Amino acid sequence: GENVEQHPSTLSVQEGDSAVIKCTYSDSASNYFPWYKQELGKRPQLIIDIRSNVGEKKDQRIAVTLNKTAKHFSLHITETQPEDSAVYFCAASKGVTGGGNKLTFGTGTQLKVEL
Amino acid sequence: GAGVSQSPRYKVAKRGQDVALRCDPISGHVSLFWYQQALGQGPEFLTYFQNEAQLDKSGLPSDRFFAERPEGSVSTLKIQRTQQEDSAVYLCASSLVTITDTQYFGPGTRLTVL
Repeated sequence: GENVEQHPSTLSVQEGDSAVIKCTYSDSASNYFPWYKQELGKRPQLIIDIRSNVGEKKDQRIAVTLNKTAKHFSLHITETQPEDSAVYFCAASKGVTGGGNKLTFGTGTQLKVEL
Repeated sequence: GAGVSQSPRYKVAKRGQDVALRCDPISGHVSLFWYQQALGQGPEFLTYFQNEAQLDKSGLPSDRFFAERPEGSVSTLKIQRTQQEDSAVYLCASSLVTITDTQYFGPGTRLTVL
């Protein structure tokens, strides 16, 4: 089955700096790649997603890039703020007719934005 | 509108007890997923429903785990004869359509087995 690896496991940046989190996946059939933010004790919340027909997607301070050939995708957060501090998970899935799009998650990155 | 809700939010069980965890998906959402999240880990897939049909239960760790969604809306995850290794947060997610659509997560049920 699919395997998703995520790096780094922890990331500390100064407020205003950029943060980059990288993920690789193993199944070339995967075609949907969401990123979730999870604060302590809270539900995972989707922050951005990308589909395999697109190489890059941006939403204000957040961007995601996808390299299908290398099977890796990255999350970029610019102008980080203290409220960006949380655990970020990447995930991958393949849209299989009748099978649903179950997500395979990475192990998470604890992002800390310091003042 | 209302998001995905789960109950109870916290459950403490003695080893060997049976537990039932409830998920109320967003109204009209066809797909419903259950995930298990161990401490410090990412969620791991347990099972998937399309309306009332359980189409994938490949992630259920043992036959002690059972899920149902009899009317295609509310779902229940039941764990029989709980073990300490069952301690985790159980997350439910729903999505509107069946293929590559956004999954909205509930707040989870934290199960602690003593």
